[in-house]
Amino acid sequence: QVQLQQSGPGLVKPSQTLSLTCAISGDSVSSNSAAWNWIRQSPSRGLEWLGRTYYRSKWYNDYAVSVKSRITINPDTSKNQFSLQLNSVTPEDTAVYYCASQQGVWFDPWGQGTLVTVSS
Amino acid sequence: EIVLTQSPGTLSLSPGERATLSCRASQSVSSSYLAWYQQKPGQAPRLLIYGASSRATGIPDRFSGSGSGTDFTLTISRLEPEDFAVYYCQQYGSSSWTFGQGTKVEIK
Repeated sequence: QVQLQQSGPGLVKPSQTLSLTCAISGDSVSSNSAAWNWIRQSPSRGLEWLGRTYYRSKWYNDYAVSVKSRITINPDTSKNQFSLQLNSVTPEDTAVYYCASQQGVWFDPWGQGTLVTVSS
Repeated sequence: EIVLTQSPGTLSLSPGERATLSCRASQSVSSSYLAWYQQKPGQAPRLLIYGASSRATGIPDRFSGSGSGTDFTLTISRLEPEDFAVYYCQQYGSSSWTFGQGTKVEIK
């Protein structure tokens, strides 16, 4: 079955870039039926979908309006993983970040989560 | 953006009791696009129900989902000790996904 393993730093300074990676096992980032998502969770904002990347003969991305100007999600086919970059972070970006696989319109499974704190 | 409102915020029940959780949408949602998740402390959410009423792989049949339009329900027929957790509904619409704020099911 699909398993997702997240990695990346837990502390980022304000105005810098948050970068996380999600390694996939049991499926391919280039799958023609799956999509690969980032979701975050904080006490103030709850669960918030951030964006996704997926392959359907070519690569596509969808991003949430709330972060569209600051987010990039990229696939890495050589390592079978995908990444999140969120620019110009502020303390409001402090959250647990999850990657998640998507078949259809629901998220299953999820990565283990990474607490990212934005602080100087 | 469709807003999902879950009620109650907290449900205090005893093992063996029936739990009924509500999820109300700010506008109509296709039943095919409504899901429920369970989250325990320190863990990622786990998919329970998709398409409003279909159980995900490995989910016990004491969990059931129903509803249509703007009103959806998750029912746990007889609470087991491992069912005390937070439950979220989630919908898809206009290339965006939103979640409810969650209902905590706690031991009474």
